[in-house]
Amino acid sequence: KQEVTQIPAALSVPEGENLVLNCSFTDSAIYNLQWFRQDPGKGLTSLLLIQSSQREQTSGRLNASLDKSSGRSTLYIAASQPGDSATYLCAVRPKTSYDKVIFGPGTSLSVIP
Amino acid sequence: DAGVIQSPRHEVTEMGQEVTLRCKPISGHDYLFWYRQTMMRGLELLIYFNNNVPIDDSGMPEDRFSAKMPNASFSTLKIQPSEPRDSAVYFCASTMDRVANEQFFGPGTRLTVL
Repeated sequence: KQEVTQIPAALSVPEGENLVLNCSFTDSAIYNLQWFRQDPGKGLTSLLLIQSSQREQTSGRLNASLDKSSGRSTLYIAASQPGDSATYLCAVRPKTSYDKVIFGPGTSLSVIP
Repeated sequence: DAGVIQSPRHEVTEMGQEVTLRCKPISGHDYLFWYRQTMMRGLELLIYFNNNVPIDDSGMPEDRFSAKMPNASFSTLKIQPSEPRDSAVYFCASTMDRVANEQFFGPGTRLTVL
């Protein structure tokens, strides 16, 4: 059974710092991995989608990497800003159940001005 | 496009009452998903539809929960009777097709059952 974990559960950094969020999954048989952002009281916003054949995706200050063989993905945020404060969730799409995405518990990020 | 639309945004009801949550997916999206989010269990898939047909409802917690999708632009999630442990945020999401498979989420409905 696919399980997704995220470490740390919470992170607080000063503004301007570069940071890395981690996502781990137990079964490497996945189609893709997606990173989401969730603001308090709001829905999820898709940030980056990495297909299983890809190693990384970039969007602005965000860079997501995927190492399928080791069951790991990282989300790198450069020059963090207070507006980056949110919960970040990763989700994998397993090959055993294509239409059912498995979400991690999320990392709550606070960027201190 | 306005994105995925959910209503109501907040619902407070008393135990035993019927609750109906509504969702309008993004036009042209063939898949629709209902999720529930709680602090204890995180984000859980309840049920999903493809072309208005329920494909997998194994995540529906009990018979008190039911979902319908009468057409491509509307879906409902009903809880009858509601219980305090049903209190959570319920999200609807849609995706265009299996190839694109990027999910777009609605703003959610925060349900409180007293």
